Amino acid sequence: AQSVTQLDSHVSVSEGTPVLLRCNYSSSYSPSLFWYVQHPNKGLQLLLKYTSAATLVKGINGFEAEFKKSETSFHLTKPSAHMSDAAEYFCVVSDWGNNNDMRFGAGTRLTVKP
Amino acid sequence: EAGVTQFPSHSVIEKGQTVTLRCDPISGHDNLYWYRRVMGKEIKFLLHFVKESKQDESGMPNNRFLAERTGGTYSTLKVQPAELEDSGVYFCASSQLTRGLETQYFGPGTRLLVL
Repeated sequence: AQSVTQLDSHVSVSEGTPVLLRCNYSSSYSPSLFWYVQHPNKGLQLLLKYTSAATLVKGINGFEAEFKKSETSFHLTKPSAHMSDAAEYFCVVSDWGNNNDMRFGAGTRLTVKP
Repeated sequence: EAGVTQFPSHSVIEKGQTVTLRCDPISGHDNLYWYRRVMGKEIKFLLHFVKESKQDESGMPNNRFLAERTGGTYSTLKVQPAELEDSGVYFCASSQLTRGLETQYFGPGTRLLVL
C-alpha cells in the first residue's frame, strides 16, 4: 500500500527567501503525487500534481515540485516566499488510476516572517 | 463556478447526540468523497460515491457513521450516536471522471467537536 511522509511538521522562512517542504513516498506501483494547500477556514486547494509525465511539475503561485524516483521524494519548492504562502501543505500519494485511494501526509505548517 | 460547499462549518454537540453533515459537490461531478482529519493525525479517506452508489466505504470507522447520496447530488454524513473520538474536521471532495487522472476538489470542511 502507498504511504507518504512529510518530514517537517513546521517550517518557518522569511519573506523573500526560498521555501522547501519535504515529502517522501512509498508506493508499489507508479504513483500519482499531489501537493494541496489549506489556508485557514478554506478548503484544500490543489497546488500541483505529478502523473508520470515531466518529472518537474509547475503549479500555481510559483510553486513547483520534482519527482525523484531514486530518492522516492516529491519535495515542494518556491524561490521566494510571500506572506500569503503561510498555510498548511499536504503531500498526497495515490496509485496510478486509483485516485479514490489517496494517502495524505500529516501536513507541514508554513510560517512566513516579514 | 461554485466550488464544493459543506454545511455546517462548525458543530459542537454532546456525546450521544446525532449530527448530520452535508456536502454539495461541484455541479456535474459524479464522484464524491468524504475524508476525516482527527486532531493531530493525517487526513484519512472515509468513503467514495459514484453518483448515488457507494463505490468504496472501506474507510468508514464503524456503523455509527451513515453516508447517503440520494439522487446523486448532495451527500450527507450522519454520526449517531456521536462519541468523543469522532471530533475532527470532515472534508468532502468531488471530481469529474470515474477513473484516471481526475483532480479532487475539496470543500472547506466541517469542524466537529463532541463534548
